[in-house]
Amino acid sequence: GDSVTQMEGPVTLSEEAFLTINCTYTATGYPSLFWYVQYPGEGLQLLLKATKADDKGSNKGFEATYRKETTSFHLEKGSVQVSDSAVYFCALSDSDMRFGAGTRLTVKP
Amino acid sequence: DGGITQSPKYLFRKEGQNVTLSCEQNLNHDAMYWYRQDPGQGLRLIYYSQIVNDFQKGDIAEGYSVSREKKESFPLTVTSAQKNPTAFYLCASSPYLGTTSYEQYFGPGTRLTVT
Repeated sequence: GDSVTQMEGPVTLSEEAFLTINCTYTATGYPSLFWYVQYPGEGLQLLLKATKADDKGSNKGFEATYRKETTSFHLEKGSVQVSDSAVYFCALSDSDMRFGAGTRLTVKP
Repeated sequence: DGGITQSPKYLFRKEGQNVTLSCEQNLNHDAMYWYRQDPGQGLRLIYYSQIVNDFQKGDIAEGYSVSREKKESFPLTVTSAQKNPTAFYLCASSPYLGTTSYEQYFGPGTRLTVT
């Protein structure tokens, strides 16, 4: 069945560092891809999405490109802030929604 | 403002008691979902419903029950049969058309502690 694999954390970066969180997927169809963010004690918030190959989703300085040839949707940000500290989930949606295990990011001042 | 509400934020129960978690949405979404999240873990699907008066088991339905009598409401009951009920519970909703599902919108969660 469909599945999502994302890099294990935790990831610790200094403020203004470059962020990459890897995400690869397995799907039989043509899924939509998402990144969600979860701040401590809260629900998940949609960060960005892409619905077809080569689409780039972007929001709040974060970007991810839907790469069908490598079945990937890596999350990137050029300069992280302390306020970006959270858990990030990659997800795909085809006939149902599948989430990755989450990657905890901590950004230190 | 449209959104999903879950209440209460924190819930404490004694072992052996059933407890019902509330989830309400005013987004006019057809589909609603319940997930369980354990510390440091991802999300596991408990139950979902694509239409009123219909619902399906997810990956970990044992020890849980749901109802969907109204489009906007999808309460989850954690029964005494659930062996390890202490967890963070998340409700979500999404538009759902045919076999295509869309992004899900999440509530703030309920943290259930059973002692």
